[in-house]
Amino acid sequence: GENVEQHPSTLSVQEGDSAVIKCTYSDSASNYFPWYKQELGKGPQLIIDIRSNVGEKKDQRIAVTLNKTAKHFSLHITETQPEDSAVYFCAASKVKGGKLIFGQGTELSVKP
Amino acid sequence: EPEVTQTPSHQVTQMGQEVILRCVPISNHLYFYWYRQILGQKVEFLVSFYNNEISEKSEIFDDQFSVERPDGSNFTLKIRSTKLEDSAMYFCASTRVGGNQPQHFGDGTRLSIL
Repeated sequence: GENVEQHPSTLSVQEGDSAVIKCTYSDSASNYFPWYKQELGKGPQLIIDIRSNVGEKKDQRIAVTLNKTAKHFSLHITETQPEDSAVYFCAASKVKGGKLIFGQGTELSVKP
Repeated sequence: EPEVTQTPSHQVTQMGQEVILRCVPISNHLYFYWYRQILGQKVEFLVSFYNNEISEKSEIFDDQFSVERPDGSNFTLKIRSTKLEDSAMYFCASTRVGGNQPQHFGDGTRLSIL
């Protein structure tokens, strides 16, 4: 069935370091891959997304890479700041307006 | 920036009672969704809704669940006879029509079944 695996479940970095979170998906028909940041008591907030016709996308300190052959995608955060601390979720979907299949989440802690 | 709004933020209900969770999607969005997140677990899809009908639902979305768009702005999730295992955060999301558009989420309703 459709599944998205996400690693690591927790990640602790020093302020200024980079953080990388990885996801793999099972359904080769998946073609849209968003990343969400969830702060305590809030809903998931979209931070970046990538479509299957693109291998990499960058937005300031955040970048996402996609390897369709291996069916995995990664989130890279550079120059981390304490306010980056949150739970990050990857997700995948395969049809227009379709459901998102979420990964298990990564709790990122950035220590000052 | 337009937001998805959900009410109430916290709902406490006795087991067996009916509960209605309410959402106001972003005004020009036409796809609507409900997801749930049990404490410490991943976000799970429940149902999607487009053009006044359910377009897809998960195994979780059984006969106890229903969705409705009673007017031009609200989108509701009803659980007819709540069970202890329905305790979770319930998130509403919406997206515009056309291509793979981002889904925008509300801040959720925490449902506690006693």
